[in-house]
Amino acid sequence: GAVVSQHPSRVICKSGTSVKIECRSLDFQATTMFWYRQFPKKSLMLMATSNEGSKATYEQGVEKDKFLINHASLTLSTLTVTSAHPEDSSFYICSAPAFRDYEQYFGPGTRLTVT
Amino acid sequence: GESVGLHLPTLSVQEGDNSIINCAYSNSASDYFIWYKQESGKGPQFIIDIRSNMDKRQGQRVTVLLNKTVKHLSLQIAATQPGDSAVYFCAESNQGGKLIFGQGTELSVKP
Repeated sequence: GAVVSQHPSRVICKSGTSVKIECRSLDFQATTMFWYRQFPKKSLMLMATSNEGSKATYEQGVEKDKFLINHASLTLSTLTVTSAHPEDSSFYICSAPAFRDYEQYFGPGTRLTVT
Repeated sequence: GESVGLHLPTLSVQEGDNSIINCAYSNSASDYFIWYKQESGKGPQFIIDIRSNMDKRQGQRVTVLLNKTVKHLSLQIAATQPGDSAVYFCAESNQGGKLIFGQGTELSVKP
């Protein structure tokens, strides 16, 4: 099956710094990728749709200047959390559709802790 | 923003029993539904899916039932094993590929 990787798996940063999270499709190309965040004991919340070659589409309530998304190639999307604050601490997960439009493959997630 | 309010519902079953996890979805236009399993600290793992033109689909030890009339989805796990312990999410989708996840249910299997 298709594989999606994320890097780093865990990151701890200080308040006010920026953190970049990478999402890669390893054995397929993805013109679209999706970014989610998940708080403890909660469901996944879609943040944005990352589009290769064009701007990301953000869900209502998600600050585009806070969460910068760049879909640099057909296998890589990055999420940068700018000027991170403790409330940004969360589990960030990406996904990409493969083979069939509806079927999505999820990355292993990135645990961000802002101190 | 994040979903607020309730903690994850939990379901506790004895090893070997059958489990039934329920989900209510929100959009009557959704035409594709998926169940995911998520273990602690990991990304969601695909279990089984069903399209809106079906009302039942079976996999290995799992069955998904879809009731479009009441917008209800269920996942049945036969002969539940300790390795099935995880959080289970339903998700709905329509054209465009965006997934909207349900609240989730934490399944705990007692040996």
